[in-house]
Amino acid sequence: GENVEQHPSTLSVQEGDSAVIKCTYSDSASNYFPWYKQELGKGPQLIIDIRSNVGEKKDQRIAVTLNKTAKHFSLHITETQPEDSAVYFCAASTPRTGNQFYFGTGTSLTVIP
Amino acid sequence: DAGVIQSPRHEVTEMGQEVTLRCKPISGHDYLFWYRQTMMRGLELLIYFNNNVPIDDSGMPEDRFSAKMPNASFSTLKIQPSEPRDSAVYFCASSNIPLGPGTSGQETQYFGPGTRLLVL
Repeated sequence: GENVEQHPSTLSVQEGDSAVIKCTYSDSASNYFPWYKQELGKGPQLIIDIRSNVGEKKDQRIAVTLNKTAKHFSLHITETQPEDSAVYFCAASTPRTGNQFYFGTGTSLTVIP
Repeated sequence: DAGVIQSPRHEVTEMGQEVTLRCKPISGHDYLFWYRQTMMRGLELLIYFNNNVPIDDSGMPEDRFSAKMPNASFSTLKIQPSEPRDSAVYFCASSNIPLGPGTSGQETQYFGPGTRLLVL
């Protein structure tokens, strides 16, 4: 089955700096890659996603890049703010297993004011 | 839409008791997923349904766990008997796969707020 690895597990940045979280996947058939943000005491919420026919996608301060050849994708947050502090999860999905998501282990991001 | 609804939000019970978690998916979504989240194991998929039919229950830890989806708007996850190691946050998520030209067949999952279970 698919295996998703996520790094780093924790990340601290100064407010205003950029944060980058990286994930790798193993199944070359995976074609959908969402990113979730989970705040304390809440469920994961989708923040951005990318499909395999696109190399990059941006939404305001958040961007995701995908390298299909290397089988890795990354989340970039620019001009970080304290409210960006949360746990971020990447996931991969392949048609072979329906709509099942394979999640990374999460990155705890702390933005220091 | 109110999003995915889960109840109860918190549950404290004693070892050996039966626990029932409930989920109402987003209207029109035909996939429903149950996850368990712990610090040690992260997010684990327990089981998922498509059109009310269980598709993959390989993540269900043991026979003490069972899940049902009697109709498109309701699902339950039951633990009987419960054990302290079942303590975790249980999430329900739902999604809908669009069909037709230009779609990839994959669509995001929307998570509920979770049920925090503590088994003493």
